[in-house]
Amino acid sequence: GAVVSQHPSWVICKSGTSVKIECRSLDFQATTMFWYRQFPKQSLMLMATSNEGSKATYEQGVEKDKFLINHASLTLSTLTVTSAHPEDSSFYICSAIHLSHEQFFGPGTRLTVL
Amino acid sequence: QKEVEQNSGPLSVPEGAIASLNCTYSDRGSQSFFWYRQYSGKSPELIMFIYSNGDKEDGRFTAQLNKASQYVSLLIRDSQPSDSATYLCALRHDGNQFYFGTGTSLTVIP
Repeated sequence: GAVVSQHPSWVICKSGTSVKIECRSLDFQATTMFWYRQFPKQSLMLMATSNEGSKATYEQGVEKDKFLINHASLTLSTLTVTSAHPEDSSFYICSAIHLSHEQFFGPGTRLTVL
Repeated sequence: QKEVEQNSGPLSVPEGAIASLNCTYSDRGSQSFFWYRQYSGKSPELIMFIYSNGDKEDGRFTAQLNKASQYVSLLIRDSQPSDSATYLCALRHDGNQFYFGTGTSLTVIP
């Protein structure tokens, strides 16, 4: 299958700082990428849809000023958690849509805010 | 009404048995269907996709789609302890809209 990478895998930061997470499709171009969040023992929660060259579409209840998404190229989308707080601690997962319409997930980024 | 419904389980099967995972969906306009496996603490991994009625086999896995009854299932033959995970059913609508079920937890008992 197609490969999607995320960086970093783990990040620990202090409350009030910002954290940037990168999502890359390594062997294909993706006009659409998704960002999910998953709390322990809970389901995936879609946060936003990231489309190359346009503004992201956020799901209801997700603050767009807090979770900044930039899809600068066909292989890279970034999620910046601004002014992170302990309640933002979670597992953030991106995915990319292949031309075949299959959705491939990155390995995830575990964020811990102290 | 949720787009995709899955029994959360847990489902337990003995090693070597067939595990059957089921998923129902509400929108007849759904175009393609996916099964993902998610190990604890890891991200989902695509196992199979199916978009035509009938069965699709890949190794020990068989996906079954019945559009008239609006269900999709995944059969795992010769279940192994390493198959213990949460299995997510997903469907795709036009415009790359994806909907996920909440997942079924499977435990294969050695």
